[in-house]
Amino acid sequence: GAVVSQHPSRVICKSGTSVKIECRSLDFQATTMFWYRQFPKQSLMLMATSNEGSKATYEQGVEKDKFLINHASLTLSTLTVTSAHPEDSSFYICSAPGTGVSHGYTFGSGTRLTVV
Amino acid sequence: GENVEQHPSTLSVQEGDSAVIKCTYSDSASNYFPWYKQELGKRPQLIIDIRSNVGEKKDQRIAVTLNKTAKHFSLHITETQPEDSAVYFCAASTGGTSYGKLTFGQGTILTVHP
Repeated sequence: GAVVSQHPSRVICKSGTSVKIECRSLDFQATTMFWYRQFPKQSLMLMATSNEGSKATYEQGVEKDKFLINHASLTLSTLTVTSAHPEDSSFYICSAPGTGVSHGYTFGSGTRLTVV
Repeated sequence: GENVEQHPSTLSVQEGDSAVIKCTYSDSASNYFPWYKQELGKRPQLIIDIRSNVGEKKDQRIAVTLNKTAKHFSLHITETQPEDSAVYFCAASTGGTSYGKLTFGQGTILTVHP
């Protein structure tokens, strides 16, 4: 089945630095990638939708200048958290639609970001 | 946009009992309703899904029912086992040839006591 490889799985960074998270579709072409954020004991909240070759669409309340999304190819979508702060510490996960079991959604393995 | 409400937030049952989790959605255009099981620090794992052209789907001990008129769907787990303990999320999206964004419910922490 379809696989989305997400890296890194865990990252610790200092406050004020930037962190890039990558999601690669290994055996299919992902024209769309959804990026979610999940705080402890909470649900997955959609941050933005990336589309290959065009600008990402951000959900209300998500700062586009802080969370930079790039989808330059059909197999790679990246999320860069710029000038990270402790409140950005969270579990970030990507998802490609229409590719999973029964043509649902394929999820990356997630990235645990800790900002110190 | 879509809003998905999930209840209860926590559910505790004895091994062998049944567990039911309920969700409502707001967007009548939603037509794909998956249920996910998520363990701590892991990706959501699809356990069952249903599309709006059917009212019920069953897979061994797990079943999902959908009432399009009332805009609600439910997860039923029978003969629960301790390994069923996890966080369960319902979700809704528009599917078909072009899948829309997936909106998740708030989650239910299921605990199955031996």
